Amino acid sequence: GAGVSQSPSNKVTEKGKDVELRCDPISGHTALYWYRQRLGQGLEFLIYFQGNSAPDKSGLPSDRFSAERTGESVSTLTIQRTQQEDSAVYLCASSQRGSGAKNIQYFGAGTRLSVL
Amino acid sequence: QKEVEQNSGPLSVPEGAIASLNCTYSDRGSQSFFWYRQYSGKSPELIMSIYSNGDKEDGRFTAQLNKASQYVSLLIRDSQPSDSATYLCAVGDNFNKFYFGSGTKLNVKP
Repeated sequence: GAGVSQSPSNKVTEKGKDVELRCDPISGHTALYWYRQRLGQGLEFLIYFQGNSAPDKSGLPSDRFSAERTGESVSTLTIQRTQQEDSAVYLCASSQRGSGAKNIQYFGAGTRLSVL
Repeated sequence: QKEVEQNSGPLSVPEGAIASLNCTYSDRGSQSFFWYRQYSGKSPELIMSIYSNGDKEDGRFTAQLNKASQYVSLLIRDSQPSDSATYLCAVGDNFNKFYFGSGTKLNVKP
């Protein structure tokens, strides 16, 4: 596609429910990132996928959070047993890994998650 | 822990003035440096990227990188009210991983 696509754009859920967020990266981009942004805060790194390499999960805040990516396409971020502190905007970004460090991330519009 | 520091602001400048935004980073091995603009309720959009020491100009925007001092700055000339947003500094490492500052809120007063 022309840009990074995320769905749903908004998600309201009840505490304790599981949610699944989807990200469709720019075609040809091998790297995909998930970030969390709480209201008025900066971006908090969650997880990074690069091609077929093992993902960097170092930013996942707890074992309730997991993410998958099939090849170099769609990724899903799953939050189990949601808590109110999970309320945030979840941003996905993709980049095309080139030579050296000339990689630029392009962001999707985000999913605004509200846990009641 | 690789850190990226920004003054949270708000930075207020009058219309037509130069806005100067600064960012420092902790990892000397950092390879790539970016400035993103984020309007309230929107996702970040790339303004500038810079990879080597010195200045890089693009229209009203100039990015400046000093690796020895570990800082990167963004100058916005002839600031417009439409430039009012939060500006995020991002730093990339050798492993294609990026670290973001918490952002500086810029307010351009008409």
